Formats: sequence, C-alpha cells, structure tokens
Amino acid sequence: EIVLTQSPDFQSVTPKEKVTITCRASQYIANSLHWYQQKPDQSPKLLIKYASQSFSGVPSRFSGSGSGTDFTLTINSLEAEDAATYYCHQSSSLPFTFGQGTKLEIK
Amino acid sequence: VQLVQSGAEVKKPGESLRISCKDSGHRFTSYWMNWVRQLPGKGLEWMGRIDPSDSYTNYSPSFQGHVTISADKSINTAYLQWNSLKASDTAIYYCARPEIATADLQHWGQGTLLTVSS
Repeated sequence: EIVLTQSPDFQSVTPKEKVTITCRASQYIANSLHWYQQKPDQSPKLLIKYASQSFSGVPSRFSGSGSGTDFTLTINSLEAEDAATYYCHQSSSLPFTFGQGTKLEIK
Repeated sequence: VQLVQSGAEVKKPGESLRISCKDSGHRFTSYWMNWVRQLPGKGLEWMGRIDPSDSYTNYSPSFQGHVTISADKSINTAYLQWNSLKASDTAIYYCARPEIATADLQHWGQGTLLTVSS
C-alpha cells in the first residue's frame, strides 16, 4: 500500500500569504496525485487532479506541481474562505490512499 | 451530475445495514463509483470502488470482508452494506466518482452519517 505523507499537519496563516503544502508518496506514482479541500461539515471538493490539472470552478490561486514521489499544492494570496483541511490522494495503484490531511487556519 | 446519498442511520452493534448513493447523471455505468470513510474528527479513507457496468469491485484490505459494495444500474444506484455493524463503524460515508474516465474524485455525495451504539 502506498503511504502519502503530508506536511505540515497544521498551519496558521494570514490572508494574502502564499501557502505551500507538500505530499510525499512512499513509492513512485507518476502524476496520479489529486488534491481536495474539505471545509467543516462539508463534503470534500476536488481542487487539482493529476498533480497539476486545474479545471473550471476552482479559483486560479490554487495550483499543483510535482511528479514521481513529491508533490506540492500552492495557494497564492490566501483568502479567509480557504480555511479548510486539504488532502492528497493517489490513484496510481490499488488500494488508493489519502494523505493524513493538512489543516489551514486563517489568523 | 449529482450524487444523493441516503439519510443518517442509528444502529446497534451486530445489526445489518445498506446505505445508498443515487447518481442523477446519465453515465452511471461509465465510471467507477468509490466509497470513502471519515471517522469522527479524522481524515479520509478509501474503502473501495465498483464498476457499475459489470459490478466488478476493488476493496482496500482494511475493509475487505467487512463491507460489500454493490450497484443496481437499472436505477443508477450504488450501495455500501454491512452484515454485522461494530461501534467502530461510526463515521461519515461518502460516495464519489470522477467526471470522465479518470481516477480522481470530482463528484461527491453529501455523506451519510452512521452511528453504531448500544
């Protein structure tokens, strides 16, 4: 089973700050890595698929990069509404797995 | 596309249960339907998935043998079933699937809260 390790677990940030969340896979997963945002009492929402693919409906301040085993989710110019927990998810090999989550608090 | 899940459930240990996820889209049999668990205050766990066209399933070893994933393509509905619930099954369960033939999870149900308590 592929283990995804996110860092940090928690981050307290101010609006307009740039935030970087990393996700490291225990094995090579090419670009089969997706990012989700989950706000309290809501279902998760897909932000980035296949490491760097964005799509309509997701604000342009969210971007993803990486391949192989190391991946990054970047939030440029953080907004108050971005307070949430962020998860990475790999679909390279079964069983699919999620990272443990990174909770972002807005100061 | 909208995934609508069945409502919250309160059950006793040892009881059986089946929860559902209805896909309002027109391509139910085209994409894998996944189930994801979230324990109270915890992260997301991938449980397994089903190909609704032929009911072929994949399970995470963590859930294999304890749950059953099924689908009825005549009514665009996927199911998650337990034969003998445990208190540790208390969680929110989500169904989720991609928009196209990929393995990301673009569409999510609203979640079904299951509480198992004596």
